[in-house]
Amino acid sequence: GAVVSQHPSWVICKSGTSVKIECRSLDFQATTMFWYRQFPKQSLMLMATSNEGSKATYEQGVEKDKFLINHASLTLSTLTVTSAHPEDSSFYICSANNRLAGDVGELFFGEGSRLTVL
Amino acid sequence: GQNIDQPTEMTATEGAIVQINCTYQTSGFNGLFWYQQHAGEAPTFLSYNVLDGLEEKGRFSSFLSRSKGYSYLLLKELQMKDSASYLCAVKDSNYQLIWGAGTKLIIKP
Repeated sequence: GAVVSQHPSWVICKSGTSVKIECRSLDFQATTMFWYRQFPKQSLMLMATSNEGSKATYEQGVEKDKFLINHASLTLSTLTVTSAHPEDSSFYICSANNRLAGDVGELFFGEGSRLTVL
Repeated sequence: GQNIDQPTEMTATEGAIVQINCTYQTSGFNGLFWYQQHAGEAPTFLSYNVLDGLEEKGRFSSFLSRSKGYSYLLLKELQMKDSASYLCAVKDSNYQLIWGAGTKLIIKP
């Protein structure tokens, strides 16, 4: 299957700082990537859809200025949590479709990034 | 609104069979997915159903009934490593994925 790599896996930061999370498709080109957030014992919540070369599409209730998404190339999307606060502590996961390989459109997920804001 | 229901938690015994149900109410239907998610890890794809019936893949099978808005994931010959959360997700008419909250499966020796 397709491989999506996410970095860093764990990050601890002080309140008020910014954190950048990278998501890379290693063996395919992803024109679209999806960013999810997952709180403990809860399901995945789609934050935004990242489109290569254009602005991300954010879900209702997700602050665009707080969660900056950049999809500069077909293999890289980044999520920056700006001025992070303890309530932003969560598990952030990126995913992508490999349209060339899969005909069912299943998502391939990165390893996830666990953010803890002190 | 759109809704996907799964049991919160299930317990089964190693070597046994377990069925995890999923019911959905969505605006349109373009396929149903099952994912497995181990604690602290990202989900991995298990199965996809778009037509009614049973899809078998090794120890795992997935069933779909579109008229009933119902699916189940069947796990046979349970192993300890099957302890995980199982997520049901439906693609709606806009091809947006709607996620269930997941079913935590606990396997006991």
